[in-house]
Amino acid sequence: AQKITQTQPGMFVQEKEAVTLDCTYDTSDQSYGLFWYKQPSSGEMIFLIYQGSYDEQNATEGRYSLNFQKARKSANLVISASQLGDSAMYFCAMRSLFSGGYNKLIFGAGTRLAVHP
Amino acid sequence: NAGVTQTPKFRVLKTGQSMTLLCAQDMNHEYMYWYRQDPGMGLRLIHYSVGEGTTAKGEVPDGYNVSRLKKQNFLLGLESAAPSQTSVYFCASGFAGSRDDEQYFGPGTRLTVT
Repeated sequence: AQKITQTQPGMFVQEKEAVTLDCTYDTSDQSYGLFWYKQPSSGEMIFLIYQGSYDEQNATEGRYSLNFQKARKSANLVISASQLGDSAMYFCAMRSLFSGGYNKLIFGAGTRLAVHP
Repeated sequence: NAGVTQTPKFRVLKTGQSMTLLCAQDMNHEYMYWYRQDPGMGLRLIHYSVGEGTTAKGEVPDGYNVSRLKKQNFLLGLESAAPSQTSVYFCASGFAGSRDDEQYFGPGTRLTVT
């Protein structure tokens, strides 16, 4: 069965420091995609970063980078130089590319990040 | 370009009442999805659609029905609301096939069933 596990219900970090949010996944698919979404207190889901299972380089998007370790089935999100506006809930999600050809996302339970001044 | 919109934003229902949540997207996406989000849990897929006139069950479909009569709209119906359906409902849409296409989410609908 496909599953996403986020073991940190809550994290805090000092402003301007880096923080790593953990995500491990379980799948028997050979081809899959991994996403991180941010959900601020306003409730909307904001796409942050994507990593494909065959991508050799770790994905980066501005201050976000994804530490992809395929053998360990982990896809940790690293936020560098944290800002107060980074305080939010963060969800890791996995998409299976060949489960009937449908583009379905499976989400983890999320990690709440608090950035302190 | 409004993206993905959802109506209503908030709703309170009594047990047994029915309602329909409307999702609309203006990005010409083939795929549309309905998720629910409960406290301490990630989003769970209720139903999805891979094109106009087609729908399929997700992880937690019981108590919900959906319809996709037009490509841009995806309706979620609750025929007889139950307190267990109190949740935040998100609609999302995306293109088919491309492996790195993200899903675009609507702002959510907060539903309370008393």
